[in-house]
Amino acid sequence: GAVVSQHPSRVICKSGTSVKIECRSLDFQATTMFWYRQFPKQSLMLMATSNEGSKATYEQGVEKDKFLINHASLTLSTLTVTSAHPEDSSFYICSAFPQPWGEAFFGQGTRLTVV
Amino acid sequence: SQQGEEDPQALSIQEGENATMNCSYKTSINNLQWYRQNSGRGLVHLILIRSNEREKHSGRLRVTLDTSKKSSSLLITASRAADTASYFCATGRETSGSRLTFGEGTQLTVNP
Repeated sequence: GAVVSQHPSRVICKSGTSVKIECRSLDFQATTMFWYRQFPKQSLMLMATSNEGSKATYEQGVEKDKFLINHASLTLSTLTVTSAHPEDSSFYICSAFPQPWGEAFFGQGTRLTVV
Repeated sequence: SQQGEEDPQALSIQEGENATMNCSYKTSINNLQWYRQNSGRGLVHLILIRSNEREKHSGRLRVTLDTSKKSSSLLITASRAADTASYFCATGRETSGSRLTFGEGTQLTVNP
């Protein structure tokens, strides 16, 4: 089956630094990928839609200058959390669809802790 | 924003019992999907049901969809301790491309 790989799985960083999270589709091309944020014991909140070769579409309330998304190839999207603060600590997950209107495949998630 | 609501929020049962989780949504959909998430992990797809389908089975899973009531249910039969996880429904809408909107989730605990 399709595989989406997300890296790193865990990262601890200091306040004020930036962190990059990668999401790769390993055996299919993804013109669109999705980035979610999840707080403990809560559901997934869509942050942005990553579009290959064009600007990402951000959900209302998500700061585009804080959460930079780059989708430079058909198999890779990156989310960079800039100038991270402790309140950015969360679980970030990406997903992609091998087929339109089909099932989504998710990365393993990244646990970000900002100290 | 989350358009789906799931109930119960938490469910605790004994091994061998059946578990039923419900999901309601607000807008018209193309499909509804159920996912499972173990603590601290990514989501795993369980089953997809399209808007023109009423019921689907996969192993010990049975999903129903009632578009008139805008609701779906997930039944897990003969539950096992390994079924302990969070379960989410997600809807795909015609106007949103492949984008999914997730429900609040049900935390299922199966006690051995």
